[in-house]
Amino acid sequence: AQSVTQPDIHITVSEGASLELRCNYSYGATPYLFWYVQSPGQGLQLLLKYFSGDTLVQGIKGFEAEFKRSQSSFNLRKPSVHWSDAAEYFCAVGAAGGYQKVTFGTGTKLQVIP
Amino acid sequence: ETGVTQSPTHLIKTRGQQVTLRCSSQSGHNTVSWYQQALGQGPQFIFQYYREEENGRGNFPPRFSGLQFPNYSSELNVNALELDDSALYLCASSEGRGSTDTQYFGPGTRLTVL
Repeated sequence: AQSVTQPDIHITVSEGASLELRCNYSYGATPYLFWYVQSPGQGLQLLLKYFSGDTLVQGIKGFEAEFKRSQSSFNLRKPSVHWSDAAEYFCAVGAAGGYQKVTFGTGTKLQVIP
Repeated sequence: ETGVTQSPTHLIKTRGQQVTLRCSSQSGHNTVSWYQQALGQGPQFIFQYYREEENGRGNFPPRFSGLQFPNYSSELNVNALELDDSALYLCASSEGRGSTDTQYFGPGTRLTVL
C-alpha cells in the first residue's frame, strides 16, 4: 500500500527566507508524486508533479521539488518565501492504474512572519 | 472557464440522517473524484466516477455512495450519518481517469454531524 509522511506539522519562516518542506513516501514501484497547496476556504491547488524523467521538477509560484529515490523523498523548496505563501501544503503519492487513487500526507502548515 | 464548484458550502446534520453533496465539474472533464478531509488530516480518497460509472473506491463503507450525471456533474450521498463523518468533502474533476491527469479541486463542503 502507498503512504506519505510529512514529518513537520507546522513550520514558521521569515518572509524572504528559503523554504524546504519534507515529504517521504512508501510505494513499491515508481511513484507518481504531487505537491498541493490549500489556503483557507479554498480547494487544493496543484503546485507540481513528478511522473518520470528529470528528478528536479519546477512548479507554479516559484516552487520546485526534487525526487530522490534512494531516500524515498520528494521535498518541496522555494528560495524566497512571500507572505502569500502562508497556507497548508500536502504531499501526495499516486500509482499507475485504472483510477486516480491518490494518497495524501497529513500536511504541513506554513506560517510566514514579516 | 468555470472551475469546479460545490454546494452547499456548509451543512449541519444530526446523527442518523442522510446527506447529499453536489459537485459541478470543470468544463470538458469526464472524471470526478470525491475526498473526505477530517480536521487536521489530509484528504482521503472516497471514490471516483468516470463517464457515469464508479471507477475506483477507497476504504469507505457502502453508506457512502455517489452518482455522476450525463453532464458529468456529481453527487455524494452519505446515509446513516455518524459523528465521525464530520469533515470537509472535496470533489475534484479531471479530463481523464488516469493518475497522470491533473485533478482540479473544488472549495469543498463542510459537513458537521451533531
